[in-house]
Amino acid sequence: QKEVEQDPGPLSVPEGAIVSLNCTYSNSAFQYFMWYRQYSRKGPELLMYTYSSGNKEDGRFTAQVDKSSKYISLFIRDSQPSDSATYLCAMSATNFGNEKLTFGTGTRLTIIP
Amino acid sequence: NAGVTQTPKFQVLKTGQSMTLQCAQDMNHNSMYWYRQDPGMGLRLIYYSASEGTTDKGEVPNGYNVSRLNKREFSLRLESAAPSQTSVYFCASRANGGSSGANVLTFGAGSRLTVL
Repeated sequence: QKEVEQDPGPLSVPEGAIVSLNCTYSNSAFQYFMWYRQYSRKGPELLMYTYSSGNKEDGRFTAQVDKSSKYISLFIRDSQPSDSATYLCAMSATNFGNEKLTFGTGTRLTIIP
Repeated sequence: NAGVTQTPKFQVLKTGQSMTLQCAQDMNHNSMYWYRQDPGMGLRLIYYSASEGTTDKGEVPNGYNVSRLNKREFSLRLESAAPSQTSVYFCASRANGGSSGANVLTFGAGSRLTVL
């Protein structure tokens, strides 16, 4: 079993819909959670960064962490065609630069105009 | 604000040929990484360097070597390329330990390698 599981999709939704992307994990030591967005033929870029449980909002994006269920989510409100990309979750136990991140395999999202 | 720069962007090799992928960062980061990304496999860590002068194996190091030339530069070498090494390679760097957001990776744009 992988440490981080992420549904690969693909996921297609109409413009304006609310999108929910999810990851589950098995390592209870994980405390730092990230979502990266990767456009086609580009490198991943950080979208959201959260620590421990709770919600964090940034514009149309909300990251949610439920450590008791070992489950994290990314919600996109009022989805736009420009949100079409692959979304990768990543996590780690510490905030130190010498610890490797553990990534999900990514979910490919397409927003249909 | 270049961030992480990778060269070349595209390369086609024949089986058995060698090549080096170059990576440089201008953010004064201590840690640097090489990943490969394949469909359905996600990002897999090949090698990393936690600081200048040190390198360590990741998940999939076989067939690769690395050199941390200085704090800015981290190169990945394929000594004898194989078709199984056809992939997109990403270099990344990470901020120094202990500061807020220290475990956030900054990625380069990728190097697309095809081995025939």
